[in-house]
Amino acid sequence: QAQLVQSGAEVKKPGASVRVSCKASGYNFNNFGITWVRQAPGQGLEWMGWISPYNGETHYAQRLQGRVTMTTDTSTNTAYLDVRTLTPDDTAVYYCTRGLGRRLGTSAGDYWGQGTLVIVSS
Amino acid sequence: ETTLTQFPGTLSVSPGERATLSCRASQSLSSSYLAWYQQKPGQAPRLLVYGASRRAPGIPGRFSGSGSGTDFTLTISRLEPEDFAVYYCQQYDNSPLTFGPGTKVDFK
Repeated sequence: QAQLVQSGAEVKKPGASVRVSCKASGYNFNNFGITWVRQAPGQGLEWMGWISPYNGETHYAQRLQGRVTMTTDTSTNTAYLDVRTLTPDDTAVYYCTRGLGRRLGTSAGDYWGQGTLVIVSS
Repeated sequence: ETTLTQFPGTLSVSPGERATLSCRASQSLSSSYLAWYQQKPGQAPRLLVYGASRRAPGIPGRFSGSGSGTDFTLTISRLEPEDFAVYYCQQYDNSPLTFGPGTKVDFK
């Protein structure tokens, strides 16, 4: 059974950076893309981007481009999301989710991490 | 960027009734790469349907998806108490991938 376990909650000051990790188990990490999605309090889902552990290909939401980096470590089956220059608008629950296959066109998320709350406040 | 519009915003129904949720894309999804998710408070979303009409493993048969091009529908044939939640559609046909704003299904 596939499982994604995310790192714990973070509290950051504006201007800081945060790293969220997502450790995968129970499946071949290389064969399925990882998508990052966030949800601000009381709001809907926002697609942040996607990465292929197989070849490192990434696609980012344009509004976040330049502030976000997604990486994977295939030796530990872990995906990472780095967000820089945080503002209070980045306060949200951040989710990683596994796609149905390797390609971006298979990235409907069938397994989800438990979510990581990131609070940005002075 | 493909914008998804969901309607209604809120659907008030009674247990046992049928619920029909709609999702419209601003441009045609060439490969029906449209998914539906259910989200309950404090929980991660759960995949219900992918490829517009394929039920995800473990999803009850009362959930069905249909549609193609720009118009898609999620139907819950007979609502169970545990189905009251927010439902999101997502297109994964072209980058950037996008979600609809959601439809809340609540008790009439």
